[in-house]
Amino acid sequence: KNQVEQSPQSLIILEGKNCTLQCNYTVSPFSNLRWYKQDTGRGPVSLTIMTFSENTKSNGRYTATLDADTKQSSLHITASQLSDSASYICVVSATTGTASKLTFGTGTRLQVTL
Amino acid sequence: DADVTQTPRNRITKTGKRIMLECSQTKGHDRMYWYRQDPGLGLRLIYYSFDVKDINKGEISDGYSVSRQAQAKFSLSLESAIPNQTALYFCATSDFTWTSGSDHPTDTQYFGPGTRLTVL
Repeated sequence: KNQVEQSPQSLIILEGKNCTLQCNYTVSPFSNLRWYKQDTGRGPVSLTIMTFSENTKSNGRYTATLDADTKQSSLHITASQLSDSASYICVVSATTGTASKLTFGTGTRLQVTL
Repeated sequence: DADVTQTPRNRITKTGKRIMLECSQTKGHDRMYWYRQDPGLGLRLIYYSFDVKDINKGEISDGYSVSRQAQAKFSLSLESAIPNQTALYFCATSDFTWTSGSDHPTDTQYFGPGTRLTVL
C-alpha cells in the first residue's frame, strides 16, 4: 500500500529561526514528490516538485531535498516568518501512462511565533 | 488559487438532505478532482475526471456522485448526507505536461479554496 508519513505532526518555532520537516514514503512506481503549503481555510498551494533525478530544489526560503534511495524528503525553511505558519503537506505521485495517483501525507502544522 | 472557485464555501445541512458542491475553473485544464480532508488524515480522492466524458471513482466514492457539465465545471453531490461526511472538500484541476529534458511527466494540481460541510 502506498503511504506517505510526515514528521513532526506539529512544530512551533520563533520567527527568524530555521526548521526542517520530514517526509518518508513508500510509493511505487515513483514519479515525483511535491511539497504543498496550506494556509488555514485555504487550499494547498504547490511549493516545489522534484522528480527521481533531482535531489534538491529551492523556492525562495524553501529548500526541498529528495533521497530516492532511502525514499525520504525534507523541506527546510530558512529565516522563518510569521507568514510561514501553515500546514505543509508532502505528496508523492505514482504515474502510469497518463494517469497519476497521488498519495498525500497528513501534513506538518508549523506555527511561527514572535 | 483564484482560478479555481468553489461554492458554497460553508454549508450546514441535516442528515438525509441532498447537497451539491460546485467547482469552476478558468485555467483551461481538462483534469478535475474532488477531495475531502479530515483532521489527522491526508487528502483523499473522491472522484476525478480527465475530460467531460471521462469520470472515475477515487478511493472513497461511496455516498458521492459527480457531474462534469463542461470542461470548466465539476460538481460533487451527496445524495443523502450523513454526519461522517462532515469534512473540508476541495476541488482541484491539473495539467499533464512533459518537461523538456525530463523522462517523467508532471501533473501539478491547483486547488480551490475549499468548502466546509457540516452534516448534523
